[in-house]
Amino acid sequence: GAGVSQSPSNKVTEKGKDVELRCDPISGHTALYWYRQRLGQGLEFLIYFQGNSAPDKSGLPSDRFSAERTGESVSTLTIQRTQQEDSAVYLCASSRGGYKETQYFGPGTRLLVL
Amino acid sequence: QQQVKQSPQSLIVQKGGISIINCAYENTAFDYFPWYQQFPGKGPALLIAIRPDVSEKKEGRFTISFNKSAKQFSLHIMDSQPGDSATYFCAASKDGNKLVFGAGTILRVKS
Repeated sequence: GAGVSQSPSNKVTEKGKDVELRCDPISGHTALYWYRQRLGQGLEFLIYFQGNSAPDKSGLPSDRFSAERTGESVSTLTIQRTQQEDSAVYLCASSRGGYKETQYFGPGTRLLVL
Repeated sequence: QQQVKQSPQSLIVQKGGISIINCAYENTAFDYFPWYQQFPGKGPALLIAIRPDVSEKKEGRFTISFNKSAKQFSLHIMDSQPGDSATYFCAASKDGNKLVFGAGTILRVKS
């Protein structure tokens, strides 16, 4: 079946602009995660949605970052007033939501803030 | 501090050799330790995972060794192949959700 998809695949923006990144999880997956991967580094957890529960936002680096998810489908990560340090690959993952279920990652959105 | 330290940063192995990547963690509450493989331009994909109640898990050419007392775990790739050339990440979590990743190891297998 289809995997996790993300759009756009690449995004170049100017400092101070807002950007929206989209994630389409695997159908039926109740859990959805956003991670950030800076060049040459590991992934950093940003936010986690599980069903209709309140999201775990503990990894969001600042109030410029926010994310929404409609039910158990699409999620959007929004970065307001982008800064150069926001340049990274933003990865989305989804899982069946049970204990220690495998997280399946999308290909990521490469964000470059000029 | 929830941190996972991974070494080496990069590794070159001859075809047929053994690739070994090591990770150490600090948080004793971690109870799930997966390894992910990432090819350029792709998202990471789960390779193999272990729980702390076992000391070793093997799947094909890939083996995780786990040392709970030392808070260390490692990935061994036996009979390494050029197709194994990728970036490998270890990770850890308390519940399988908020994964804490190591910085990654770039593996190159020379043919």
